[in-house]
Amino acid sequence: EVQLVESGGGLVQPGGSLRLSCAASGFTFSNYEMNWVRQAPGKGLEWVSYINSGGDDKHYADSVKGRFTISRDNAKNSLFLQMNSLRADDTALYYCVRDGRQYEGAYRRFDHWGQGTLVTVSS
Amino acid sequence: EIVMTQSPATLSVSPGERATLSCRASQSVNTNLAWYLQRPGQAPRLLIYGASTGATAIPARFSGSGSGTDFTLTISSLQSEDFAVYYCHQYNNWPLTFGGGTRVEIK
Repeated sequence: EVQLVESGGGLVQPGGSLRLSCAASGFTFSNYEMNWVRQAPGKGLEWVSYINSGGDDKHYADSVKGRFTISRDNAKNSLFLQMNSLRADDTALYYCVRDGRQYEGAYRRFDHWGQGTLVTVSS
Repeated sequence: EIVMTQSPATLSVSPGERATLSCRASQSVNTNLAWYLQRPGQAPRLLIYGASTGATAIPARFSGSGSGTDFTLTISSLQSEDFAVYYCHQYNNWPLTFGGGTRVEIK
């Protein structure tokens, strides 16, 4: 069974930093592209960042570019999101999401989601 | 950035009735579009990808259509567990973007 378990969320002051982690199990992590998607309280979904299976291709939403860094450790089946210069509007539930496509050129599909870790930015 | 606009924002439907949800992209996304369902307190769940391909274990009452800029999610006969929020999502261009969601509520 595919499992994605996020951790690292919490309360942080504006301007502070947090590092989110996602522990993956039940599949060959190194074969899959991964994403972070967030959801502010009572709001819709916002894609945050992407990383390819090898970790050498990354993309970011404009709202986090230059402040957030995505990375992965395939040996430890883990995905990370380093968040710096945090702002109040970064407050959200952060989901670790697998892209289930099996090969480049196939349709992307966010087929497995974790339960999320809550980040609250407030003084 | 491609803007995804979903309509209506809220759809009131009786159980057993048909529901039609719309999603429009600000520029063509070809068929690089997915639909997700989110129930209260739960993570989103993949319903449709490639605009019309049903995800694993998704009931046949869910179907997707469209290409380019206009897409539709149809639920042929609403069941109690279908009352939720639905999001469309384009992955044709970076940054990836989601629509604002359509809430399907019991009439």
